[in-house]
Amino acid sequence: KAGVTQTPRYLIKTRGQQVTLSCSPISGHRSVSWYQQTPGQGLQFLFEYFSETQRNKGNFPGRFSGRQFSNSRSEMNVSTLELGDSALYLCASDPGQGGSYNEQFFGPGTRLTVL
Amino acid sequence: GQQVMQIPQYQHVQEGEDFTTYCNSSTTLSNIQWYKQRPGGHPVFLIQLVKSGEVKKQKRLTFQFGEAKKNSSLHITATQTTDVGTYFCAPPEGGSQGNLIFGKGTKLSVKP
Repeated sequence: KAGVTQTPRYLIKTRGQQVTLSCSPISGHRSVSWYQQTPGQGLQFLFEYFSETQRNKGNFPGRFSGRQFSNSRSEMNVSTLELGDSALYLCASDPGQGGSYNEQFFGPGTRLTVL
Repeated sequence: GQQVMQIPQYQHVQEGEDFTTYCNSSTTLSNIQWYKQRPGGHPVFLIQLVKSGEVKKQKRLTFQFGEAKKNSSLHITATQTTDVGTYFCAPPEGGSQGNLIFGKGTKLSVKP
């Protein structure tokens, strides 16, 4: 089975722009979570989607949003980019129904740099 | 709110030495997961602990869940250069449900 894929792998944007990142989970996985990883804050949970519905949301401003499609692929969007949004954005898929009891399969991440 | 503390933040060892990282939670946990992230890579699942006092072994790695289910540890015996990376503990938010909360991680470097 193919692993979790994320596109693009690298992205450079300027302040004020918006960006859309894409994640394709492992085939058959219906839960997708997004995380932001920075050296200072570590791995922080953004949101989780299951069957096209957002089930959990982390403590991030409304500039961060996401969605999930019927094929379980997910996108996240960040509007009005700020320098502090520079980070590695990771998505993880879950073979079960989400929650904390299942192994998370992470993708390679998208490295976003905001100039 | 729930706090997850992982110590130490960094650990430098000579190859062959042992290594231990500790994870402490302010709330009782239903379970805890451990992940490893190699430099430049993404987190990879290592194990999940569920039972109080549980001890699980994977070759040179030993994982332990505290009796009170508020702490956990990962011990590596006789480290090798392939053990280099950051080790994260990940309990569930609120202690029992919802998404995983990742500790800040322990970055392990191994000198050959």
